[in-house]
Amino acid sequence: DQQVKQNSPSLSVQEGRISILNCDYTNSMFDYFLWYKKYPAEGPTFLISISSIKDKNEDGRFTVFLNKSAKHLSLHIVPSQPGDSAVYFCAAGDSSYKLIFGSGTRLLVRP
Amino acid sequence: DVKVTQSSRYLVKRTGEKVFLECVQDMDHENMFWYRQDPGLGLRLIYFSYDVKMKEKGDIPEGYSVSREKKERFSLILESASTNQTSMYLCASRTPRLAGEGTDTQYFGPGTRLTVL
Repeated sequence: DQQVKQNSPSLSVQEGRISILNCDYTNSMFDYFLWYKKYPAEGPTFLISISSIKDKNEDGRFTVFLNKSAKHLSLHIVPSQPGDSAVYFCAAGDSSYKLIFGSGTRLLVRP
Repeated sequence: DVKVTQSSRYLVKRTGEKVFLECVQDMDHENMFWYRQDPGLGLRLIYFSYDVKMKEKGDIPEGYSVSREKKERFSLILESASTNQTSMYLCASRTPRLAGEGTDTQYFGPGTRLTVL
């Protein structure tokens, strides 16, 4: 039973446009969420996070939106750049040590 | 700057061999993790260590064991490697977040691509 789902395995966007990556979760006990970015043959790097007490967190070109009633979060990248091409993982955490990861979305930003 | 290093980037082993994957972190983090990443499955937790000599099974511990003799080092052991253990192995570390703090972060190493023939 997947508690964190990324239903789009891939996304292709033109450079300069907005990229929107989506993530759904089922466990209402999750109280924070993170996005990680992963290049091939490298480990994931932390990108941005959001606590469940917020509905938006912004860091430069990256914004994460949280809709708790829909159990949905999204990552917006504006404007998208070719260097943003990577696999993006959504992850959720609660009071335990565990992070639950989604299956990832591969983003391709076309020049 | 947090640094998590893994002993090998690429490793090729034969079925039945004993395999050691080493991970070292330099930030004095209490918690360390081993994940494997497979296409379409995301990151799955194999084992977790919350302190020296302390460990807990994750979601897929079968066929693996771990060792944490020093705070900075966390080893993953494949007692008898099998072809279905061919995967990308990722180590991570973190400091437990304080009660009431919003979020915490796990810091990952570069990964070890293991192929079992």
